[in-house]
Amino acid sequence: DQQVKQNSPSLSVQEGRISILNCDYTNSMFDYFLWYKKYPAEGPTFLISISSIKDKNEDGRFTVFLNKSAKHLSLHIVPSQPGDSAVYFCAASAGGSNYKLTFGKGTLLTVNP
Amino acid sequence: KAGVTQTPRYLIKTRGQQVTLSCSPISGHRSVSWYQQTPGQGLQFLFEYFSETQRNKGNFPGRFSGRQFSNSRSEMNVSTLELGDSALYLCASSYSGAATNEKLFFGSGTQLSVL
Repeated sequence: DQQVKQNSPSLSVQEGRISILNCDYTNSMFDYFLWYKKYPAEGPTFLISISSIKDKNEDGRFTVFLNKSAKHLSLHIVPSQPGDSAVYFCAASAGGSNYKLTFGKGTLLTVNP
Repeated sequence: KAGVTQTPRYLIKTRGQQVTLSCSPISGHRSVSWYQQTPGQGLQFLFEYFSETQRNKGNFPGRFSGRQFSNSRSEMNVSTLELGDSALYLCASSYSGAATNEKLFFGSGTQLSVL
């Protein structure tokens, strides 16, 4: 039973356009959500996070939106750059146990020049 | 500050053997967690150690075990290897792992291939 789902295995966008990556979750105990970015042969690196008490968090070109009623979050990248091409993982945790993240299977983002 | 260091980077083993992977966390970090990444299942939580004690464990068989030393370095052991154990094993560290806004910092992983 997958508690965090990323239904799009891949996404391709043009440089300068918006990239929108989506994530759905089923466990209502999740109260903290994160996005990680992963390049081949490297470990995931933290990108942005959001607490369940907020519905939006922004950091430069990256914005995460949380819709708790729909159990849905999304990551917006504006404008997209070729260097953003990577696998993006959505992750969630519950009750402050941030060492135990539940990850989605990832979305491969390709930004074309 | 050095990042999370995992050794070795690559390992090739045969079925039935055992393997030990090592992880050195960021200096000052006391929580070390381990994840398995496979193409079909994504990243899955194995277990976490804090102050040499296992605090939590994921849904993996007993063949997967670990330990943490007093300097916070951690090792993970897989016994009686199976073909399905082929995966990228990632280690992550954080200060305590128990604060909501703490970030996990990942190492580059150990790629294990079981033949």
